[in-house]
Amino acid sequence: GAVVSQHPSWVICKSGTSVKIECRSLDFQATTMFWYRQFPKQSLMLMATSNEGSKATYEQGVEKDKFLINHASLTLSTLTVTSAHPEDSSFYICSAHRVATNEKLFFGSGTQLSVL
Amino acid sequence: AQKVTQVQTEISVVEKEDVTLDCVYETRDTTYYLFWYKQPPSGELVFLIRRNSFDEQNEISGRYSWNFQKSTSSFNFTITASQVVDSAVYFCALSEPFRDDKIIFGKGTRLHILP
Repeated sequence: GAVVSQHPSWVICKSGTSVKIECRSLDFQATTMFWYRQFPKQSLMLMATSNEGSKATYEQGVEKDKFLINHASLTLSTLTVTSAHPEDSSFYICSAHRVATNEKLFFGSGTQLSVL
Repeated sequence: AQKVTQVQTEISVVEKEDVTLDCVYETRDTTYYLFWYKQPPSGELVFLIRRNSFDEQNEISGRYSWNFQKSTSSFNFTITASQVVDSAVYFCALSEPFRDDKIIFGKGTRLHILP
């Protein structure tokens, strides 16, 4: 099946620093990728839709200046958490949209961010 | 608006018992997809099934089965002869392909299979 690689899988950083998370579709091109956030024991909440070559579309309540999304190629989208704070600690997971397949959306393995 | 409701937040059953996870959805579209995903403790999402809104046939895959009822907007998931390895959080989800195609998840049901 199609593979989406998400890196890093775990990151610990100091408050105030920025963290970049990469999401790559390894064997297909993805014009659309999605970024989700999951707090402990809660559901996945969609943060934004990342479209290759254009600006990301953010869900209500998600700060676009805080969570920078870049989808510069058909196989790579990045999420940068700028000036991270402890409340940004969460599990972040991306998915890539592959058309014309039964599964259609393929998820990365997630990134656990811990901000000290 | 899209909405997925999983009323069961946590279920515990003894191994080998059957268990059904409920999912009710809301959508304005006639064309939509429903999904079930499994999230084991390691955190990754494991795809289980995708069903489109025009296919109401029930599906069975090994010990897993799904009951899609458009009349009640439900898409329930049953595990028969449960095993300890089935312990995980299970998410029901919905997408509307002609709207924006993003997946909206329910809050998940945490399933504990006790040995």
